[in-house]
Amino acid sequence: DAKTTQPPSMDCAEGRAANLPCNHSTISGNEYVYWYRQIHSQGPQYIIHGLKNNETNEMASLIITEDRKSSTLILPHATLRDTAVYYCIVRTNRDDKIIFGKGTRLHILP
Amino acid sequence: GAVVSQHPSWVICKSGTSVKIECRSLDFQATTMFWYRQFPKQSLMLMATSNEGSKATYEQGVEKDKFLINHASLTLSTLTVTSAHPEDSSFYICSAWGQDEQYFGPGTRLTVT
Repeated sequence: DAKTTQPPSMDCAEGRAANLPCNHSTISGNEYVYWYRQIHSQGPQYIIHGLKNNETNEMASLIITEDRKSSTLILPHATLRDTAVYYCIVRTNRDDKIIFGKGTRLHILP
Repeated sequence: GAVVSQHPSWVICKSGTSVKIECRSLDFQATTMFWYRQFPKQSLMLMATSNEGSKATYEQGVEKDKFLINHASLTLSTLTVTSAHPEDSSFYICSAWGQDEQYFGPGTRLTVT
C-alpha cells in the first residue's frame, strides 16, 4: 500500500503558484520523499526528491516539514502544460520498487 | 538524461493471441526494470520486477504464466501477454533506474478485440 495521502484533485490558475500537499506521517528516517507526475497517456516523469532539507530545481521546489511527516510540492508559475496527475512517494534505497498511490489530479485553469 | 523507450507505442490484437512489448534503456545499463499496468482513470499498478539474467518477481495477483517477462540483456526487458483477452486491454509502462533516478518509458497501449 502507498504510504502517502494526497488530495484527489486541485485547481490552480495559470501563472500562479501551485502548492500540492502530501502527508507521509509514517515516514522512517532513511526514506526519501519523491515526486513524479504523469501527463495524460504518457509515462511518469520525475520532478524532485528530498530527505530533510528543502530542495529546488528547474521544475519545482519541495518543502519538507521539520518532523518530515508532510511535504509540499510547489510549481512556482503554473502553465497549462502542468496539467497532470502528481504522485508523492516515499522510498528508501535506489532499487526500491515504486508503489504509486492515487495522486493529485492538478487542473490548471486559463 | 537517461531515456527508456518502449515498442510498440500502441498495439491492437485479437483475443487469444499473444503480444510482446519491449522496454529498452537507451544510454545506460539496467539490471532491474519494472513493469506497470494502468487502467483508465486509475493509478499505475506494479506488475513485476524484471531482473537481468534471472527470473522476474511478480506482485501478488499477477499471473506469471500469462505475463511472461524476459530480461535477457542489461538494456532490454520484454513483457509478453499470452492468450490475450479484452480485459488485458490497458496501458503498460516500464521503468528502470538511471544514474540517480528512476526513468519511465512512454507506455504501450494494448487493445484486445
